[in-house]
Amino acid sequence: QAQLVQSGAEVKTPGASVRVSCEASGYLFDSYGLTWVRQAPGQGLEWMGWISPYNGNTNYEQKFQGRVAMTTDTSTNTAYLELRSLRSDDTAIYYCARAPFSYTNGGRFDPWGQGTLVTVSS
Amino acid sequence: QSVLTQPPSLSGAPGQRVTISCTGTSSNIGANYEVFWYQQLPGTAPKLLIYDNDRRPSGVPDRFSGSKSATSASLAITGLQAVDEATYHCQSYDVSLSAWVFGGGTKVTVL
Repeated sequence: QAQLVQSGAEVKTPGASVRVSCEASGYLFDSYGLTWVRQAPGQGLEWMGWISPYNGNTNYEQKFQGRVAMTTDTSTNTAYLELRSLRSDDTAIYYCARAPFSYTNGGRFDPWGQGTLVTVSS
Repeated sequence: QSVLTQPPSLSGAPGQRVTISCTGTSSNIGANYEVFWYQQLPGTAPKLLIYDNDRRPSGVPDRFSGSKSATSASLAITGLQAVDEATYHCQSYDVSLSAWVFGGGTKVTVL
């Protein structure tokens, strides 16, 4: 069945960048979208953006515009999230999830990766 | 502040029924976008529980049910069990924001 496996935990200093990977298996990678969601300690889920592995189109939540980049590598069925200019309030668990192929119609996130803890601390 | 509004916490005794509300606006739930519910057990990733307002993926017990009306949605858990102790998140799409949106999550405690 469909599965997403993420890279391991990261510790970064303020101002640095982080790159998280998400490897997909068990389904046709470019037949679905891929989304990123983060969860700060003790907080709810926060949607960050969506990417189409089919054509590389992206849609980012306005809050992250200019600081985030989502990419995919269809040769390895892997998605990447890069977040730049890290601040302490970027400390969170970052999740990838399979998303709808089309961005504009809404839709479900299923399945989810196991999550990657990113800690930003001096 | 989340776009969709959920109660922060609820509790119930084993066997009871609890209902979690998810209140939106005319830009999201009220704009006829589907609502999805996720169950997040402690220390784990969210898992799809309800999709398209009221449909259960295979493997989800029928103790869980979803409904939607106007600008809000609800998740009901009947016959509450200890294994249901988790945080439940609702999600939809907001056409004004052009973004997927979540509720703040509801932590359910089994007494």
